[in-house]
Amino acid sequence: EAAVTQSPRSKVAVTGGKVTLSCHQTNNHDYMYWYRQDTGHGLRLIHYSYVADSTEKGDIPDGYKASRPSQENFSLILELASLSQTAVYFCASSVDNQDTQYFGPGTRLLVL
Amino acid sequence: GMPVEQNPPALSLYEGAESGLRCNFSTTMKGVQWFQQNHRGRLITLFYLAQGTKENGRLKSTFNSKERYSTLHIKDAQLEDSGTYFCAVASSGSWQLIFGSGTQLTVMP
Repeated sequence: EAAVTQSPRSKVAVTGGKVTLSCHQTNNHDYMYWYRQDTGHGLRLIHYSYVADSTEKGDIPDGYKASRPSQENFSLILELASLSQTAVYFCASSVDNQDTQYFGPGTRLLVL
Repeated sequence: GMPVEQNPPALSLYEGAESGLRCNFSTTMKGVQWFQQNHRGRLITLFYLAQGTKENGRLKSTFNSKERYSTLHIKDAQLEDSGTYFCAVASSGSWQLIFGSGTQLTVMP
């Protein structure tokens, strides 16, 4: 089973503040992803990356930046957190974009 | 309409019962992934299929790209099967996963 970890597991942030969510995987996967899940809904792709030092926009990138400093690490950055960004955020990784994605445990973010 | 629809939105089963969950998609998809989200919110990958049928213990999933649906069948339901089941599909024109809105399963003693 692929090992994907996220930190923090939960966070309370203030509107307008900066938030950084971290993801780490130990399986040499090239692809990493950030999704958000809103209560009662499925997941939507925010950003993804297929190689270190490069990131790509997903379906809902507005208000988010991503950083892939190494193959193992992928961060999601909210420069100016807003109330609408309250959600659960999942990181995932996969060998390639045709393969099974393995998910981290999620980070619950509350923006006040 | 939504590109990925799951039915039913909610389902209750008694322990030992069986049932099927369905995922319909509006265009040709090249793969489907099924997840269980447990009571702690953790997403557990159940299956990934590019075609045909896969089975794992009490779970079985089929993917019919031509007819545009996938199913997840649960037999001998257990309490720990409770949770929300999501399907996510990869369209032929893109590799990105598109998630359905989930089926909330409650298994009762």
